[in-house]
Amino acid sequence: DAGVIQSPRHEVTEMGQEVTLRCKPISGHNSLFWYRQTMMRGLELLIYFNNNVPIDDSGMPEDRFSAKMPNASFSTLKIQPSEPRDSAVYFCASTSGRSDTEAFFGQGTRLTVV
Amino acid sequence: AQSVTQLGSHVSVSEGALVLLRCNYSSSVPPYLFWYVQYPNQGLQLLLKYTSAATLVKGINGFEAEFKKSETSFHLTKPSAHMSDAAEYFCAVSDTGFQKLVFGTGTRLLVSP
Repeated sequence: DAGVIQSPRHEVTEMGQEVTLRCKPISGHNSLFWYRQTMMRGLELLIYFNNNVPIDDSGMPEDRFSAKMPNASFSTLKIQPSEPRDSAVYFCASTSGRSDTEAFFGQGTRLTVV
Repeated sequence: AQSVTQLGSHVSVSEGALVLLRCNYSSSVPPYLFWYVQYPNQGLQLLLKYTSAATLVKGINGFEAEFKKSETSFHLTKPSAHMSDAAEYFCAVSDTGFQKLVFGTGTRLLVSP
């Protein structure tokens, strides 16, 4: 398996624009997580899905953020409208869903909002 | 809620010296604990995990960690640091039910020649 695949790797956008980040989890994994990493706040869990259903979105910072998982092999994280403070590295991770199994991370998307 | 605390945002060692990265957890139930490593511009990679099978856990690249319930600790060690070990290290605890990983703030390991 190619691992968790995220696209794009880098995104530069202007404030106010819509940004969509994409993630393809490892085949067979049924849990998917979106994390945000910044120098100030470290790694924050934004939302996670189990069997394509959002389980906990309490980490989503504002209504400007939304995430979907239309099927087991694809998820998106959308920011609309984007703001400079959204600049961060966004990671997607997937697991088999059991608490004793590790999460596999993608390479991340580095988002810069100017 | 479960949480982990990593002591020291930066740790500096010389090549060949012992590496010790500290992690303490808070959990009302027996936890699952993980150490991840992040190299620059990359995602996180699992080093090792504790799932109650053995208190001393060996991972990749010569790292190991010992689960100590009495101290609520899961410190990461390596007998002899290598330049390639320079990276950021994260301790994490797994929540109950669905695997919701809660990460510590990370420790950056610096290795000097």
